[in-house]
Amino acid sequence: AQTVTQSQPEMSVQEAETVTLSCTYDTSENNYYLFWYKQPPSRQMILVIRQEAYKQQNATENRFSVNFQKAAKSFSLKISDSQLGDTAMYFCAFRTGANSKLTFGKGITLSVRP
Amino acid sequence: NAGVTQTPKFRVLKTGQSMTLLCAQDMNHEYMYWYRQDPGMGLRLIHYSVGEGTTAKGEVPDGYNVSRLKKQNFLLGLESAAPSQTSVYFCASSYYGFLYEQYFGPGTRLTVT
Repeated sequence: AQTVTQSQPEMSVQEAETVTLSCTYDTSENNYYLFWYKQPPSRQMILVIRQEAYKQQNATENRFSVNFQKAAKSFSLKISDSQLGDTAMYFCAFRTGANSKLTFGKGITLSVRP
Repeated sequence: NAGVTQTPKFRVLKTGQSMTLLCAQDMNHEYMYWYRQDPGMGLRLIHYSVGEGTTAKGEVPDGYNVSRLKKQNFLLGLESAAPSQTSVYFCASSYYGFLYEQYFGPGTRLTVT
């Protein structure tokens, strides 16, 4: 079975500081994509960043970067220079080549304090 | 280009009533999905479709039916609503291939009393 675990239900960070959100996953597939989605209070799901399992280089999108450890099946999200607009729920997810489905973690609520 | 749209945005049903949620996408995506989001549970897949005329069960399909008669539309039906189906429902779509992200609609908040 494919699973995604986000063990921290909530986190808080001071504006302008850096925060790391943890995610681990389990799959027997070798090729897959990992995603982080953001869900602000508006409820809209927004893609933050993606990482292909075959790429060793960690993905980066502006203030967002990942630390992908394939052997450990770990995929954490680092947010640098946190902004108030980063307050949201964040979901880790992955999708394999064996099927078309996206498996989500339970999410983590991030609050950015002014 | 509207992306993924969902109708309605809010709905209150009484137990035993039926309703249909409509999802439409204008990106020519092959794949479409219905999820439900409950507090502390993340997003769980109800049903999905890999092409026009095809549907498949996801993680939590009981109590729901779906149809994909046109490529751009994916309908989710509740034949006899139950309080356990109170949730926020999201539709999503994507291109074929696991490297592609899923694009989500704005969600429908459904309350069953």
